[in-house]
This record gives sequence, structure tokens and C-alpha cells, in this order.
Amino acid sequence: QQQVKQSPQSLIVQKGGISIINCAYENTAFDYFPWYQQFPGKGPALLIAIRPDVSEKKEGRFTISFNKSAKQFSLHIMDSQPGDSATYFCAASNGYSTLTFGKGTMLLVSP
Amino acid sequence: DTAVSQTPKYLVTQMGNDKSIKCEQNLGHDTMYWYKQDSKKFLKIMFSYNNKELIINETVPNRFSPKSPDKAHLNLHINSLELGDSAVYFCASSQEWSTGELFFGEGSRLTVL
Repeated sequence: QQQVKQSPQSLIVQKGGISIINCAYENTAFDYFPWYQQFPGKGPALLIAIRPDVSEKKEGRFTISFNKSAKQFSLHIMDSQPGDSATYFCAASNGYSTLTFGKGTMLLVSP
Repeated sequence: DTAVSQTPKYLVTQMGNDKSIKCEQNLGHDTMYWYKQDSKKFLKIMFSYNNKELIINETVPNRFSPKSPDKAHLNLHINSLELGDSAVYFCASSQEWSTGELFFGEGSRLTVL
């Protein structure tokens, strides 16, 4: 049973555009929602994370929007750059379990 | 001064062989993990150790055996390798159990011929 559903599977965005990746979860006990970024040949690295007591968190060009009632959260990358081309994973956890990852989104930002 | 290091980075071996992957973290974390990433990039947890004790053992064939000699090390031994074991294996660590922030190594790409 996949507890975190991520879409789209792949995404092509022009340089300067907005990249949007969506995730939906089922387990209402989840209380921590991170996004990981993975470059080819590297391990995933934490990009930004949010807890359900806020609806939005912004760090530079990266923003997480969180909708608790809909059990959805999304990553927005503003002014997307070729260097942002990577695979992005959403994830979720609570105090009793390790991270459950989405299936990943391969983002390509064209120059 | 790599935070989570794993060796080797690449393994190419024949079916039926046994291989090991080593992992070390110098972050002082209590919890370590092994993840498997398949060709579709899906990250699946295999094992988790907290203070050298096995916490998570997902549905993984018993050909896979983790060993944690101390908090800073978590090794993965695989017996009787099969074609389906080909994947990238990631070691990771976190400060505490289920804090959510994982620090990953660079991965070990295993190819079984």
C-alpha cells in the first residue's frame, strides 16, 4: 500500500518557469513532510520540510504548500534553473515510523 | 570529512556470489538505515538500526543481512546474489529514530550478471 502518492512522474519546465510537484497522503497521523532532491549519481538530500501547523513554508525559490484537510502538499520551484534538474521525492512520517517516500518526479529544466 | 560514506561505489558480480557493502557515518547519529533504489528510482527502506539494535526489517529476503558493529557503522551483506538484486543501495543516518531528516550516502550501485 503506497501511503504517499506523487505526481507527475516527470516534468519539463523552461528556464525561469515555475515547477510544481504534488503529493497526497493517506495516513492522518503523519506530522512531518519533507522534500528530498537527488542529483544523478548522488544520494537524496533534504531540500525543505514542513509540519502541519503551517500552510506554507518558503526557502529561497522553494516553497511547500500544505493542505491538511485535503491531505495534500506540493513543492513549487520559482524561477526554475537548469541546475534544479534532478529527481524530487516527497515523503511523510510521524513519531512512530520512518519516512515513507513518494515515487519521485524527474524534473528537467530546459535552458 | 564526508558525513555518510559507503563503499564500494560500484559492484559488478555474478549470480550466486556473496557481496558486502560498508557504511560509516561521522555525524554522531543514533539511527542508520539501508534503502534500495530500483531502476525506476523508487526508494524502499530495507533495514533500520537504532543504537545498534534492529528496528525495521521490511519484507526483505533473508539473503540480506545487516550488521551494526557500533553506532557509526552499518554494513549490508548479501548472499547468493540474484539478477533482481541489481539496484543502487543507499545508506542513511538520522539523529534520532523517526526525526524525518535523513542524511544519505552517495550510494553503491550493484550489478548482478
